[in-house]
Amino acid sequence: DVKVTQSSRYLVKRTGEKVFLECVQDMDHENMFWYRQDPGLGLRLIYFSYDVKMKEKGDIPEGYSVSREKKERFSLILESASTNQTSMYLCASRGGPYTEAFFGQGTRLTVV
Amino acid sequence: EDQVTQSPEALRLQEGESSSLNCSYTVSGLRGLFWYRQDPGKGPEFLFTLYSAGEEKEKERLKATLTKKESFLHITAPKPEDSATYLCAVQAWETSGSRLTFGEGTQLTVNP
Repeated sequence: DVKVTQSSRYLVKRTGEKVFLECVQDMDHENMFWYRQDPGLGLRLIYFSYDVKMKEKGDIPEGYSVSREKKERFSLILESASTNQTSMYLCASRGGPYTEAFFGQGTRLTVV
Repeated sequence: EDQVTQSPEALRLQEGESSSLNCSYTVSGLRGLFWYRQDPGKGPEFLFTLYSAGEEKEKERLKATLTKKESFLHITAPKPEDSATYLCAVQAWETSGSRLTFGEGTQLTVNP
């Protein structure tokens, strides 16, 4: 059974903290993605990576960075958390443009 | 820019009352259209992929169809366990990498 695992289901952080969200996939997929999901706004792409050490900005990269040092792991970094980054964060991986994306269970981040 | 619009935003059905969800898309060239189901507090779960106009896919009470401008997810005799948010996403030929563009979803509630 394919798996995308996110390190935390729920996270509460303080404004200004540096936050790391981790995602691991066991499918040997080249492509990995970070989305945030907010009511009324749907799924919005923050960053994606198509290979180790390669990354590309999505639609809303401001305030975020990413790291992909190993093929199976993709990290999302909030350099200085702000309350407007309170959201559900979803990681996904995908083998290629003709295949479906697999999602993790999500991390509900609250910044206070 | 790729665009995906889903309607209605929310739909309430009685158990057994069949209906359809709509996904309209605007892309430079469609490589694939994907349907997902998302339960509250969880990551999206893959349902179907459609690649060309006229294609249909079925799974239990769900049937997805595709035209050149839209896709429908038909739900026949729904049950309360079909209650979820249904997401549609597109992959365009000219889109960078393997990124998907998602609609905002249709929240389906099936009452017993």
